[in-house]
Amino acid sequence: EDQVTQSPEALRLQEGESSSLNCSYTVSGLRGLFWYRQDPGKGPEFLFTLYSAGEEKEKERLKATLTKKESFLHITAPKPEDSATYLCAVQEGGGNFNKFYFGSGTKLNVKP
Amino acid sequence: EPEVTQTPSHQVTQMGQEVILRCVPISNHLYFYWYRQILGQKVEFLVSFYNNEISEKSEIFDDQFSVERPDGSNFTLKIRSTKLEDSAMYFCASTGHGANVLTFGAGSRLTVL
Repeated sequence: EDQVTQSPEALRLQEGESSSLNCSYTVSGLRGLFWYRQDPGKGPEFLFTLYSAGEEKEKERLKATLTKKESFLHITAPKPEDSATYLCAVQEGGGNFNKFYFGSGTKLNVKP
Repeated sequence: EPEVTQTPSHQVTQMGQEVILRCVPISNHLYFYWYRQILGQKVEFLVSFYNNEISEKSEIFDDQFSVERPDGSNFTLKIRSTKLEDSAMYFCASTGHGANVLTFGAGSRLTVL
């Protein structure tokens, strides 16, 4: 069973068209939820960590939010350079604290 | 800014050959990981390493795989006898105290022919 599910798989936006990406998770005892950006042929690049429901983090045009079962990555007025795959990962609490589960990602394409 | 360095960036090998992928984690990090990503698929956990021993491993990490930290700076992944299905991007990552934010290297692309 997948612990992390991301939707949509792919998203095409016009420059300036705001939208949200979803990450739902089923791990018990969430230690942390992470958002990464991955460009083609590169390693994931850290964006945000969220630890508890209600928490929000912002960076430029990106804002991440967390509830008890899901997280959203809101993209406001995106630009073509925001095109990338956005990965969500969760870290489980307890004995498996150093194990991270990744979702399949949302591939974002922003057209000028 | 500190970074995780991986070599080689791309390796092509014949099926059945041994491959060693190398990583230099961030110097003050304590936890080290290998992940792999088959083209178009999700990032999959292979193994985590702490205090000179494996702390977790996935079902993928079978007897063909091994990890080592031979000299206090390098962290290596060895695949003893490569299979076609081992073709993937292999990412090394590390975390510091608190063991939370994974910092990834740029990856090593392995192509098995």
